[in-house]
Amino acid sequence: EVQLLESGGGLVQPGGSLRLSCAASGFTFSGYAMSWVRQAPGKGLEWVSAINAGGSTFYADSVKGRFTISRDNSKNTLYLQVSSLRAEDTAVYYCAKAIIAMGILDYWGQGTLVTVSS
Amino acid sequence: EIVLTQSPATLSLSPGERATLSCRASQSVSIYLAWYQQKPGQAPRLLIYDASNRATGIPARFSGSGSGTDFTLTISSLEPEDFAVYYCQQRSNWPYTFGQGTKLEIK
Repeated sequence: EVQLLESGGGLVQPGGSLRLSCAASGFTFSGYAMSWVRQAPGKGLEWVSAINAGGSTFYADSVKGRFTISRDNSKNTLYLQVSSLRAEDTAVYYCAKAIIAMGILDYWGQGTLVTVSS
Repeated sequence: EIVLTQSPATLSLSPGERATLSCRASQSVSIYLAWYQQKPGQAPRLLIYDASNRATGIPARFSGSGSGTDFTLTISSLEPEDFAVYYCQQRSNWPYTFGQGTKLEIK
């Protein structure tokens, strides 16, 4: 059974940093693209970042230069380093697994909440 | 960036009725469009990918159609568990984008 478990969220001041983690199990982690998608309170979905099986990375313009996605295949873990945080980064951050193609997300974690506030 | 516009914003129907949700892209996305369902407090669930392919375990009452810029998600006969928010999403060009969502509510 595929499982994705996010952690690392919390309350952080504007300008601060966090590292989000996503522990994956139930599939061959190294063989699949992974993504982070966020959802601000009461709002829609925004694709934040993706990393393919080869390690190539992709970012939304809204987070480019501030967020870094990475993966540790030996630990079956996906990361998102979030820095220079702004109030508008407040959201639930979901980790998701891609189905073959990077842009189709077939399994999602339950999310971790990041709140940026002073 | 490709903008996806969903309509209507809210759809009020009764169980057993047919639901038709629309998604229009600002430029062609070929067939590279997916649909997700999200219930309150839950993560999204993949329903349809590449316009018309049902994801694993998705009931046959869910179907998708379209290509280019106009797409439709149809739920043939609504079950109580189908009332939720539905999002379309394109993977034609990075950044991948979602529509703003259609809320399907019980009439």
